[in-house]
Amino acid sequence: KAGVTQTPRYLIKTRGQQVTLSCSPISGHRSVSWYQQTPGQGLQFLFEYFSETQRNKGNFPGRFSGRQFSNSRSEMNVSTLELGDSALYLCASSPGTGTTDTQYFGPGTRLTVL
Amino acid sequence: KQEVTQIPAALSVPEGENLVLNCSFTDSAIYNLQWFRQDPGKGLTSLLLIQSSQREQTSGRLNASLDKSSGRSTLYIAASQPGDSATYLCAAVRNNDMRFGAGTRLTVKP
Repeated sequence: KAGVTQTPRYLIKTRGQQVTLSCSPISGHRSVSWYQQTPGQGLQFLFEYFSETQRNKGNFPGRFSGRQFSNSRSEMNVSTLELGDSALYLCASSPGTGTTDTQYFGPGTRLTVL
Repeated sequence: KQEVTQIPAALSVPEGENLVLNCSFTDSAIYNLQWFRQDPGKGLTSLLLIQSSQREQTSGRLNASLDKSSGRSTLYIAASQPGDSATYLCAAVRNNDMRFGAGTRLTVKP
């Protein structure tokens, strides 16, 4: 089976812009979780989608949003970008829920906000 | 609020040595405890998942233990190899909330 894929791998944006990141889970997996990783805050949970419904949400402002499609692919959107949004964004898929099942991670999208 | 701590932040050992990585968490009412490895600039690889009802899990040269009462988990790596060099993270899960430690950066020298 193909692994989790994330596009794009690298992205450079300027403050105030918005960005959409994409994640394609492993075939058959119904859960997709998103994480933000920065040197200062470490790895933080953003949200999880399961069967097109947001199941959990971390402590992030409303500028961060996501959705999941019927084929389980997921997108994450960040509006009004700030310098502090520069990070590695990771998505992970799992057969069941992300907190109870083994997760399989993609390589990440490196976002740089100038 | 759950806080997860990993000590040490970095560890360097010679090849062949057995080693232990530590993870502590403040809220013992966890659902499970997970260990991951991350190679530089890459995503995470899930290593072991210990349910709250379990005491340990093993996979190859890796063994993870869980002691909820003391709020601790350890990851034991036997006969370390240079390919084990990576950052190891633990995560405590409670009420569908997953909290990660800052990780231990492991270097295994040939």
